[in-house]
Amino acid sequence: DQQVKQNSPSLSVQEGRISILNCDYTNSMFDYFLWYKKYPAEGPTFLISISSIKDKNEDGRFTVFLNKSAKHLSLHIVPSQPGDSAVYFCAASPGNNNDMRFGAGTRLTVKP
Amino acid sequence: EAQVTQNPRYLITVTGKKLTVTCSQNMNHEYMSWYRQDPGLGLRQIYYSMNVEVTDKGDVPEGYKVSRKEKRNFPLILESPSPNQTSLYFCASSLGSGIVYEQYFGPGTRLTVT
Repeated sequence: DQQVKQNSPSLSVQEGRISILNCDYTNSMFDYFLWYKKYPAEGPTFLISISSIKDKNEDGRFTVFLNKSAKHLSLHIVPSQPGDSAVYFCAASPGNNNDMRFGAGTRLTVKP
Repeated sequence: EAQVTQNPRYLITVTGKKLTVTCSQNMNHEYMSWYRQDPGLGLRQIYYSMNVEVTDKGDVPEGYKVSRKEKRNFPLILESPSPNQTSLYFCASSLGSGIVYEQYFGPGTRLTVT
């Protein structure tokens, strides 16, 4: 039972444009959400997070939006750069690392 | 350099031959965990440890064992590997687990069981 879903396995965008990666969750107990980025042959690295008391969190070119009523979050990358090409995992938790759930990942390709 | 290391990075073995994947972190983190990554399923937690001598099952613990005798090390043991354990494995660590801390992941171990 996948409680965190990333329905787009892949996304391709042009350099300089916006990348929007989406994530849906089913468990209403989730109250903290994270995005991890993974390059080939490396482990995932933390990118950005948001708690359920917020609806937006921004860090440089990366912004995460949370819509609690729709149980949906999205990661916006503006402007996209070729170095952003990676697999992005969405993760959600009810408040601890023990019950963290990850999505299947979205492979982003940014074309020069 | 703060890091999580795993060994080996690649392993091909046969069904039933016991193996151990080592994991070590140098950040003095209390919390460590093991995940497996499979296509279409993302990362699923196998086991986690909140501190030395404290371990517990994650979502997919069947066929795996762990131990946490020292804070820095958290080996994953497959006593009798089977082909359905062919996967990409990641070890991770974080400051704690009582709230959500970002996790630091190792580079991964690609295991093939024939």
